[in-house]
Amino acid sequence: QSVLTQPPSVSGAPGQRVTISCTGSSSNIGTGYDVHWYQQVPGTAPKLLINGHNNRPSGVPDRFSASRSGTSASLIITGLQAEDEADYHCQSYDSGLGGCVVFGGGTKLTVL
Amino acid sequence: QVHLQESGPGLVKPSQTLSLTCTVSNDSISSGGYYWSWIRQPAGKGLEWIGRIFTSGLTHYNPSLQSRVTISLDTSKNQFSLRLSSVSAADTAMYYCARDVLMGATDWFDPWGQGTLVTVST
Repeated sequence: QSVLTQPPSVSGAPGQRVTISCTGSSSNIGTGYDVHWYQQVPGTAPKLLINGHNNRPSGVPDRFSASRSGTSASLIITGLQAEDEADYHCQSYDSGLGGCVVFGGGTKLTVL
Repeated sequence: QVHLQESGPGLVKPSQTLSLTCTVSNDSISSGGYYWSWIRQPAGKGLEWIGRIFTSGLTHYNPSLQSRVTISLDTSKNQFSLRLSSVSAADTAMYYCARDVLMGATDWFDPWGQGTLVTVST
């Protein structure tokens, strides 16, 4: 059971906008700790998509953006493309239990 | 650009110690400014942070694994290592090493190694 909760799957048609949620609590996202997002194509390692400062590494298109409110955060993908089909993971920090980096359980994005 | 590569046995017997090494190239792990982390992912499941080490040797571990984990540095070889003792089938996973970028109160991981699969079985 992950500390951060993500929907197991989301889907969308090419060109559409999809949102992936990441729900935490008062000891992590609600405290103000940054939320970072990773993309993982099946069979490969995760890759940083957006850091908590809303910065995208070189090569990541601006179709990817992030937001946060209260104890939740979201990854927003606009203009969905077939190549976006992958697993997406959120990550933050939790100040409980001695402090720990925490991840969501991951969300499988299917492009219809 | 910095590159990380995991290495180590792919099969470990229950109750034994898992040992992995991450070799860093195109960046010096002793140059400062970064932590170096281990993260694992059981098949079909989410990511779990194991722990990290700073260039000073300072370590932070996941409280759920702390009693079994040791992360160390070998600056002469530009490597850092993971030891996880008393393993069981629950420790079977893909193990990744990653550069840990600390900024302000939180950190993110970039880049990651390709990962190495460790199976715990007799």
